[in-house]
Amino acid sequence: GESVGLHLPTLSVQEGDNSIINCAYSNSASDYFIWYKQESGKGPQFIIDIRSNMDKRQGQRVTVLLNKTVKHLSLQIAATQPGDSAVYFCAAGREGGSYIPTFGRGTSLIVHP
Amino acid sequence: ETGVTQTPRHLVMGMTNKKSLKCEQHLGHNAMYWYKQSAKKPLELMFVYNFKEQTENNSVPSRFSPECPNSSHLFLHLHTLQPEDSALYLCASSQPGTGNTEAFFGQGTRLTVV
Repeated sequence: GESVGLHLPTLSVQEGDNSIINCAYSNSASDYFIWYKQESGKGPQFIIDIRSNMDKRQGQRVTVLLNKTVKHLSLQIAATQPGDSAVYFCAAGREGGSYIPTFGRGTSLIVHP
Repeated sequence: ETGVTQTPRHLVMGMTNKKSLKCEQHLGHNAMYWYKQSAKKPLELMFVYNFKEQTENNSVPSRFSPECPNSSHLFLHLHTLQPEDSALYLCASSQPGTGNTEAFFGQGTRLTVV
């Protein structure tokens, strides 16, 4: 089965710095990868996804990098803000059916003003 | 607001009680999910419904009983739970078959079994 894991349980950064959250996955047959953000008291919220045929995708202040050779995924947040403080989850899945992703453990991002 | 609403937000129940969690979405999604989120563990998929039909039961104990009367509503019926069932129960919905991988989550029900 799929195994997805984040490298660090906690990441502390200063406001304005760039943040990088890393994730490893085990199933080389995964078709897509997703990053979710979960703020305290809320459910996970979709940030960005990337297909396995891509190695980089950019959103608003976020960039996801995919390295299929080493089965590694990262989320880069530019100019981190206090509002970015949350738990970040990576998820991997295969297409077909219900797009059911397998979630890794979260990384808690703490942004210090 | 994500468009997925869960009630109640908090629930405390005894091990002999029977209660139900409710999830509602009006996003037009055909797939709905129940996840369990415990401290220091990844989100655990419990059940998947696609077009009101259960397509996945991830080895969940029978004390959890899902019900999907239509594509907009999902219930999780609880009975004779154990203290280790205390967790945040999250409902999500998505639209499979469109190329869109995004799942929309509710805010969850924080369940405490005493």
